[in-house]
Amino acid sequence: DTGVSQNPRHKITKRGQNVTFRCDPISEHNRLYWYRQTLGQGPEFLTYFQNEAQLEKSRLLSDRFSAERPKGSFSTLEIQRTEQGDSAMYLCASSPYKTDRVGEAFFGQGTRLTVV
Amino acid sequence: QKEVEQDPGPLSVPEGAIVSLNCTYSNSAFQYFMWYRQYSRKGPELLMYTYSSGNKEDGRFTAQVDKSSKYISLFIRDSQPSDSATYLCAMSVGTALIFGKGTTLSVSS
Repeated sequence: DTGVSQNPRHKITKRGQNVTFRCDPISEHNRLYWYRQTLGQGPEFLTYFQNEAQLEKSRLLSDRFSAERPKGSFSTLEIQRTEQGDSAMYLCASSPYKTDRVGEAFFGQGTRLTVV
Repeated sequence: QKEVEQDPGPLSVPEGAIVSLNCTYSNSAFQYFMWYRQYSRKGPELLMYTYSSGNKEDGRFTAQVDKSSKYISLFIRDSQPSDSATYLCAMSVGTALIFGKGTTLSVSS
């Protein structure tokens, strides 16, 4: 399978615990994005990497959230001191840089987080 | 006013119908327009990509962009039960995608 891979698919955690999600983008895609989607809403942008550099962060990305992309390959998203409001689907997407397809992104299946 | 507005539906049609899905937007800087299909509990799947104004056709799907009206549409011809999903419009100035809420479509056989 050469698509975007996310792990785990589901995570249930107690309020106050830390969680970490992993995303493996499509090989050779140098752009990687994290989005969050709650029920009945479209995905909301969290952050964007070009290679290993984090170039954009949404104001939705509070201080409890941190994302990394070491070596410009896979990425991790960590949420510290989880709150019930963090319950959502966390989606990772990747794209190559193509001048005729700017903005196009391919999504993984997501990690569904439930904070109890 | 949200940047991207999309009627959430639900929209129910019989098999074989022509479906029209629409979004309006407020940011005139958007240049890249996409339609994604999302099945329940899955990630969004890219259906159509359009740059600037105009039409694009791919099989049973046609995407239209009218930048002067800040309005985009997706038409599905000969709709099938397998088209039952949530359809999300998305647009961008270059990196982050801004999505509509999605329209839930149900096609009955």
